[in-house]
Amino acid sequence: DSGVTQTPKHLITATGQRVTLRCSPRSGDLSVYWYQQSLDQGLQFLIQYYNGEERAKGNILERFSAQQFPDLHSELNLSSLELGDSALYFCASKRGGSSGANVLTFGAGSRLTVL
Amino acid sequence: AQTVTQSQPEMSVQEAETVTLSCTYDTSENNYYLFWYKQPPSRQMILVIRQEAYKQQNATENRFSVNFQKAAKSFSLKISDSQLGDTAMYFCAFMMVAGNMLTFGGGTRLMVKP
Repeated sequence: DSGVTQTPKHLITATGQRVTLRCSPRSGDLSVYWYQQSLDQGLQFLIQYYNGEERAKGNILERFSAQQFPDLHSELNLSSLELGDSALYFCASKRGGSSGANVLTFGAGSRLTVL
Repeated sequence: AQTVTQSQPEMSVQEAETVTLSCTYDTSENNYYLFWYKQPPSRQMILVIRQEAYKQQNATENRFSVNFQKAAKSFSLKISDSQLGDTAMYFCAFMMVAGNMLTFGGGTRLMVKP
């Protein structure tokens, strides 16, 4: 157990629908990162939050949004889902914002299947 | 922008032997961190080893060691005495010291054969 908790583990939904993925970072970690891993692909950075504020944005589609709440958990919202959104979505957390050991600890991922 | 390249999509090694996975990166930064992450069939991302660019000494973690060549922008991972449990995807990754993003390579699929 890495200490980073992601729910749900698996999710099957239909095109056009909206889903929310949830992440609880390790205790004491202020930064949360979201990554997307499509089938047999590398990891694509989506977005990062630090202590409730957006810090960096990657290749995140406009149909996707995220936020980090005061208790530091984060949610990734995916809307108007398409078949190509089927992927493994990872959350990772880190102790500081832009300092420290810069080691990301990953959750087990949420596998999204869009039919 | 930083890029990370892993030129070996797949590799295999016999159990108990040694294998080296290659990684090159491109950056104009002088201070940064490099990582190797392992993704076994369970799909969990597990940190294998970390290297700070300002340290000349290569990092070592038990059977895992790196060959960090800063001038060549090369960061290879050597796995000694390979075990069946080492079968996984291995990702090389880069992060600036003051960075907010971990950039991954495309991965190398390693199969350890009995």
